[in-house]
Amino acid sequence: GAVVSQHPSRVICKSGTSVKIECRSLDFQATTMFWYRQFPKQSLMLMATSNEGSKATYEQGVEKDKFLINHASLTLSTLTVTSAHPEDSSFYICSASASYTETQYFGPGTRLLVL
Amino acid sequence: GESVGLHLPTLSVQEGDNSIINCAYSNSASDYFIWYKQESGKGPQFIIDIRSNMDKRQGQRVTVLLNKTVKHLSLQIAATQPGDSAVYFCAENAGGTSYGKLTFGQGTILTVHP
Repeated sequence: GAVVSQHPSRVICKSGTSVKIECRSLDFQATTMFWYRQFPKQSLMLMATSNEGSKATYEQGVEKDKFLINHASLTLSTLTVTSAHPEDSSFYICSASASYTETQYFGPGTRLLVL
Repeated sequence: GESVGLHLPTLSVQEGDNSIINCAYSNSASDYFIWYKQESGKGPQFIIDIRSNMDKRQGQRVTVLLNKTVKHLSLQIAATQPGDSAVYFCAENAGGTSYGKLTFGQGTILTVHP
């Protein structure tokens, strides 16, 4: 149980385009989903917390207009990187947490490369 | 608080040895701690967790120790195997209004030699 998937696993895009990443909880309902970014050889940095049916809460320094998060259902959250630039190239990881536990289950990550 | 590791600590062990990975956390209000294993190109995988009302918890081949006095967490892996090679992260959750929000440590690279 507690499986989280992400799609796509890898994406390459041109600078200036937008990219959407999906995060799904496959076998449980996720009241809360989290989005992290991880640069090479570094730790995970929380970008935003998303609760189903409400606006995401962004961490300090994360531009909400650039990283659009939608959590329209209890099993799906999306992260859209708008007008992507090479410095947005990173490993984006989501996690999901059910309401009755604090344990976060992580997705496999999405590698974004912006050319 | 946040922590970013530009040069991750490394630990090299021989297959069959026991491994100890350490983590210092910063928030004395944190009441829930988790260890994650991350293999290259993959998301973090839950290993074991512990709440602040405990100082030790054991799982299969793994033990987590919590010392709240010095804000220190450790992960012990018994009879380390090559498949244990990965980056290990500790994470803390302060609870309260930041329910579920985790702050990750910098990570430790574990390499197990056959």
